[in-house]
Amino acid sequence: KQEVTQIPAALSVPEGENLVLNCSFTDSAIYNLQWFRQDPGKGLTSLLLIQSSQREQTSGRLNASLDKSSGRSTLYIAASQPGDSATYLCAVAGSARQLTFGSGTQLTVLP
Amino acid sequence: NAGVTQTPKFRVLKTGQSMTLLCAQDMNHEYMYWYRQDPGMGLRLIHYSVGEGTTAKGEVPDGYNVSRLKKQNFLLGLESAAPSQTSVYFCASRHGERGEQYFGPGTRLTVT
Repeated sequence: KQEVTQIPAALSVPEGENLVLNCSFTDSAIYNLQWFRQDPGKGLTSLLLIQSSQREQTSGRLNASLDKSSGRSTLYIAASQPGDSATYLCAVAGSARQLTFGSGTQLTVLP
Repeated sequence: NAGVTQTPKFRVLKTGQSMTLLCAQDMNHEYMYWYRQDPGMGLRLIHYSVGEGTTAKGEVPDGYNVSRLKKQNFLLGLESAAPSQTSVYFCASRHGERGEQYFGPGTRLTVT
C-alpha cells in the first residue's frame, strides 16, 4: 500500500525567504505526483503536476522536483510572501487509479 | 467552464436521516472521486469511478453509496447518517490515469 509522508508538518518563515517542502512515498511505481494548495475552509487548488518521466516542473515562483527511484519530491517556493500561507499537500497517482495524499505541510509566512 | 461544482455547500442532518451530495464537472473527465477530510486524518478516498456506469470502493466506503449514471455527474449517498460522518466532503475529477486532478469547493456536513 502506498504511503505518502510530508515533512515538516508545519513551517513558519519570514517574508522573502526561499523554502523547501518535502514529500516522500513508499512505492516508486507511480504515474505522476501532484502538489496542491489548500486555504482554510477551502478546496484544493492544483499547483503543479509532474509526470513520472519528468524530473521537475516550474510555475512562477514554484518549482517541484521528482526523484522517482528514491521516492521523493520537493516543492521549492522562492521569495515567499504572506499570501503563500496555506497548507500544501502532495499526492501520488499509482496503478490503482487513485491518488494517495500526504497529511500536508502548514506554511505560515510572516510579514 | 465551471470546473467541478458541488451541491450543497453546507448541510446539517440528524442521525438516521439520508441525503445525497451532487458533484458535477464540465471538463468531460472520465475519472471522478469522492473524498472526506477530517482533522488529523487527511484526505481519505470514499469511492471513485473510472467512467459512466462504473464505481469502485476506496479506503473508507462503509456507510456510503455512489452512482455515476451520467459522465458529468457523480452522486454520493448517505442512507442513514451517523455522527461519525460529520466531515468535509470533496469531489474531484481528472482525465485518465495521468491527468491533473481538479477539486470542487467542498460540502461541510454535520450530523447531530
